[in-house]
Amino acid sequence: AQTVTQSQPEMSVQEAETVTLSCTYDTSESDYYLFWYKQPPSRQMILVIRQEAYKQQNATENRFSVNFQKAAKSFSLKISDSQLGDAAMYFCAYIGNEKLTFGTGTRLTIIP
Amino acid sequence: DTAVSQTPKYLVTQMGNDKSIKCEQNLGHDTMYWYKQDSKKFLKIMFSYNNKELIINETVPNRFSPKSPDKAHLNLHINSLELGDSAVYFCASSPAGYGLTFFGQGTRLTVV
Repeated sequence: AQTVTQSQPEMSVQEAETVTLSCTYDTSESDYYLFWYKQPPSRQMILVIRQEAYKQQNATENRFSVNFQKAAKSFSLKISDSQLGDAAMYFCAYIGNEKLTFGTGTRLTIIP
Repeated sequence: DTAVSQTPKYLVTQMGNDKSIKCEQNLGHDTMYWYKQDSKKFLKIMFSYNNKELIINETVPNRFSPKSPDKAHLNLHINSLELGDSAVYFCASSPAGYGLTFFGQGTRLTVV
């Protein structure tokens, strides 16, 4: 069974600084996708970034980028120039056989 | 135009009642899901339907019954509600082969 582990229940960062959220996963599949979702207090699940396992190049979306290490099964999210609106729960997720599996989440606080 | 919409957004009901949550997606996706987010924010899949056919049925009490009248709709009916059913329930949809999953805004169910 696939598992996703987020070892940091809470993180905080000064506004305008950079923060990295960790995620590891376990799978025997070779073809899969990894995601980071953001859940603000509104509870809406917002897709932040997606990585396809067969692509070696790390995905980036504006201030968000990932460090995908396939052999190590690691998928961390880097947020640059942190903004107050980045405060939220962040979930790492994996999908292989069409079932999205989530990590337990990291609550990110932005310090003004 | 909301891509995945679910109603109601909030639902407060007494133990023992039967309630339904409705979900509709206008993205033309073949696959729809129900996820449950508990009080610790942990997200877990409950059901997955592909073109009205049940694909995934995780270990969920049989008081929960999904129904998909067509591929754009997936409703969740819950019988004999219990206090432990209190959670946020998310409907989601995805196209085949792309890994992307789009979520509704969630229904916060409170059983009193």
